[in-house]
Amino acid sequence: AQSVTQLDSQVPVFEEAPVELRCNYSSSVSVYLFWYVQYPNQGLQLLLKYLSGSTLVKGINGFEAEFNKSQTSFHLRKPSVHISDTAEYFCAVDGSGNTGKLIFGQGTTLQVKP
Amino acid sequence: KAGVTQTPRYLIKTRGQQVTLSCSPISGHRSVSWYQQTPGQGLQFLFEYFSETQRNKGNFPGRFSGRQFSNSRSEMNVSTLELGDSALYLCASSLPVTGVPYGYTFGSGTRLTVV
Repeated sequence: AQSVTQLDSQVPVFEEAPVELRCNYSSSVSVYLFWYVQYPNQGLQLLLKYLSGSTLVKGINGFEAEFNKSQTSFHLRKPSVHISDTAEYFCAVDGSGNTGKLIFGQGTTLQVKP
Repeated sequence: KAGVTQTPRYLIKTRGQQVTLSCSPISGHRSVSWYQQTPGQGLQFLFEYFSETQRNKGNFPGRFSGRQFSNSRSEMNVSTLELGDSALYLCASSLPVTGVPYGYTFGSGTRLTVV
């Protein structure tokens, strides 16, 4: 069975500092990985996705993630965060080969402080 | 290009009632998935429809059902509501590219409160 573990439930960081949100996955089939962001009272917005190819994936808003097959990780990074990055971040794996079933981690709340 | 539209945004229902939520996917997207989000259980997959057929189903009781229409719009229904059904219900749409996830676009959700 596939699963996703987000290693930190909350990550406090000061504005303009770098941040890494950690995600480990478990999968016995082809791996397709996603990071989503959720702002209060909103749905999920796709930040980036790894389907194949280069292991370094660049997304929106300056975020990037690195797929590491040997460590089964897909950590999200940003070199300099802004107050507006305060939100909840979800790592997900496609568990069904494109039949809609994403398996999500429990989420990481990023708190950017001034 | 319009996004995924979910209606209504908020609902308050009484235990034992039933509720129907609607989701209109992005134009051209034919796959619609539904998720339940709660503080305790996180985001959990309910089911997915493509071309009016349910292709995948999560581990929820039969009180949760859905359907998809020929224009790809989807509805989900919850019968005999329980307090524990209070949640944010999200739908997501996608292009059904065979074998490779194209990516899923989510709507803003319907916040259901059961009292």
